[in-house]
Amino acid sequence: NAGVMQNPRHLVRRRGQEARLRCSPMKGHSHVYWYRQLPEEGLKFMVYLQKENIIDESGMPKERFSAEFPKEGPSILRIQQVVRGDSAAYFCASSPRIVAGGLNEQFFGPGTRLTVL
Amino acid sequence: RKEVEQDPGPFNVPEGATVAFNCTYSNSASQSFFWYRQDCRKEPKLLMSVYSSGNEDGRFTAQLNRASQYISLLIRDSKLSDSATYLCVVNLRAGTASKLTFGTGTRLQVTL
Repeated sequence: NAGVMQNPRHLVRRRGQEARLRCSPMKGHSHVYWYRQLPEEGLKFMVYLQKENIIDESGMPKERFSAEFPKEGPSILRIQQVVRGDSAAYFCASSPRIVAGGLNEQFFGPGTRLTVL
Repeated sequence: RKEVEQDPGPFNVPEGATVAFNCTYSNSASQSFFWYRQDCRKEPKLLMSVYSSGNEDGRFTAQLNRASQYISLLIRDSKLSDSATYLCVVNLRAGTASKLTFGTGTRLQVTL
């Protein structure tokens, strides 16, 4: 049973370019979460999606960042006009359906390390 | 005040030692609690969930004190392979959202 898959694992972009990060959740999981880890810092929540719906985007920067989880295919985190401060590890996690009162554990992919030159 | 606070360490302990990590959280409405482990430049991996009654998994014991908003992790008989950063994680649930809030982690180095 494959775990959460992310690609690319490493991505280099020049300032002003676009970055697209992809995430395929674990089989049977319908919830996807994106987190960002800046160098020497903890993981920060960005966005939570279900198929075709954004449930919580309270952690997303207001500009340049967007996320989607289409009916078919992986979830995409898109960063337009990247700046050096966007350099970080971006982790995707997935979980099965949310159970009220349940633990609702999340399982993480290997991450995409974005470097902006 | 940070939502989840941990001592960053590092904790340097010899093999076989017992080591304890503590964590406090600020939101009393937090629903569920976890310890994750993160190796250098790798993804966080779920180590164990933390139950109100406390729980044990082999050499690892987790405790939760809701009144004090305090979580702990005890590692007995430390192995070299336990060297990693241990992340205290809280699930802050609001409606149908289920985002995790991470502490910055406590670094453990087990030595010969």
